[in-house]
Amino acid sequence: GQNIDQPTEMTATEGAIVQINCTYQTSGFNGLFWYQQHAGEAPTFLSYNVLDGLEEKGRFSSFLSRSKGYSYLLLKELQMKDSASYLCAVRDGDYKLSFGAGTTVTVRA
Amino acid sequence: ETGVTQTPRHLVMGMTNKKSLKCEQHLGHNAMYWYKQSAKKPLELMFVYSLEERVENNSVPSRFSPECPNSSHLFLHLHTLQPEDSALYLCASSQGTSGSGANVLTFGAGSRLTVL
Repeated sequence: GQNIDQPTEMTATEGAIVQINCTYQTSGFNGLFWYQQHAGEAPTFLSYNVLDGLEEKGRFSSFLSRSKGYSYLLLKELQMKDSASYLCAVRDGDYKLSFGAGTTVTVRA
Repeated sequence: ETGVTQTPRHLVMGMTNKKSLKCEQHLGHNAMYWYKQSAKKPLELMFVYSLEERVENNSVPSRFSPECPNSSHLFLHLHTLQPEDSALYLCASSQGTSGSGANVLTFGAGSRLTVL
């Protein structure tokens, strides 16, 4: 089966940096995704990594190490609106995405 | 409207009721998905349709019955549900189910279902 682990909750201060780790053990690998989901809203796509290394998109960066089965999402210059759940997902075939349970990030003033 | 729209946003039903969830996408995508999201649990893939043909039924009980009349619409028909079926049901779409077209899912806001 698929196993994707990420911390349940994290708290950080406005303006700080938070790193959300994700480890995975899947039968195949065809890319790793991060989605953001605000309470009561649709998950929205943040980033996609298929090769090792860092992908930067503004205040958000995502890193992948395929040999270690590891990824992280880095949120810089935290803002209150970044309070949300962050979902790590691995694509293990053509279209199947296996999700982690999500990390709830709370940003405090 | 743009994106993926789900109705109703909230639904309360008894175990003997029959109801349906509706999903509509205005993105010109060819693939549509149903996911179940329970509190503190990973999203569970339920069904996948590609060009109106079901390509995935992830061991979902028969009390959930999907229907995809065209590439823009997806339904989930509910019948004789159990209280443990209470969850957020998310619809999503993608350009396709293979290659780069399957890369990014666009989700709807979900239908919050409560079974009494």
